[in-house]
Amino acid sequence: DAGITQSPRHKVTETGTPVTLRCHQTENHRYMYWYRQDPGHGLRLIHYSYGVKDTDKGEVSDGYSVSRSKTEDFLLTLESATSSQTSVYFCAISPRDSEKQFFGPGTRLTVL
Amino acid sequence: GESVGLHLPTLSVQEGDNSIINCAYSNSASDYFIWYKQESGKGPQFIIDIRSNMDKRQGQRVTVLLNKTVKHLSLQIAATQPGDSAVYFCAVRNSGGSNYKLTFGKGTLLTVNP
Repeated sequence: DAGITQSPRHKVTETGTPVTLRCHQTENHRYMYWYRQDPGHGLRLIHYSYGVKDTDKGEVSDGYSVSRSKTEDFLLTLESATSSQTSVYFCAISPRDSEKQFFGPGTRLTVL
Repeated sequence: GESVGLHLPTLSVQEGDNSIINCAYSNSASDYFIWYKQESGKGPQFIIDIRSNMDKRQGQRVTVLLNKTVKHLSLQIAATQPGDSAVYFCAVRNSGGSNYKLTFGKGTLLTVNP
């Protein structure tokens, strides 16, 4: 998985609780992304980062926030989880000047 | 906006046969295309990519063909093996948008029968 780890790998939580997912890379790549994958949809971009403390919204960013205080870590936070956020979340990375994205193993999140 | 679709949601082939997975895209400004393989319970894995200035690119047992006239992309897998069973999806980048944003298709499930 191209030097990318995600934690936790599985999580079950209740509606209204905060949740933070972590993506960690050892490749020193500049770009990092958070996607969600749901049946009937392609991967959809939630947020991405183009450097430390530099982030931007993707197409499905409502209800999510991100932070990147170090090159290697990109955190995705659900401030108050809802059942519609039940999904598989993937982190991806890409180096400077490359469109190729390399994905982590994913986190399966269930919001009850 | 961009839409990326696949002609068939499932494809079943016999081991040893060649497989062809198709992808249609809608934006003529798309300039970079990539195929991923995703096995059950795993993250997507890069297979092969191609830029819009090319029509064909070959890798190990895989070939990607790009037809910009009809906005169509295909992935050909030669001598398909059971280990090729997975979901395959394409992704495209629009030259007019952010350099590193990809739009992903929904995927085709390839099943290889022994």
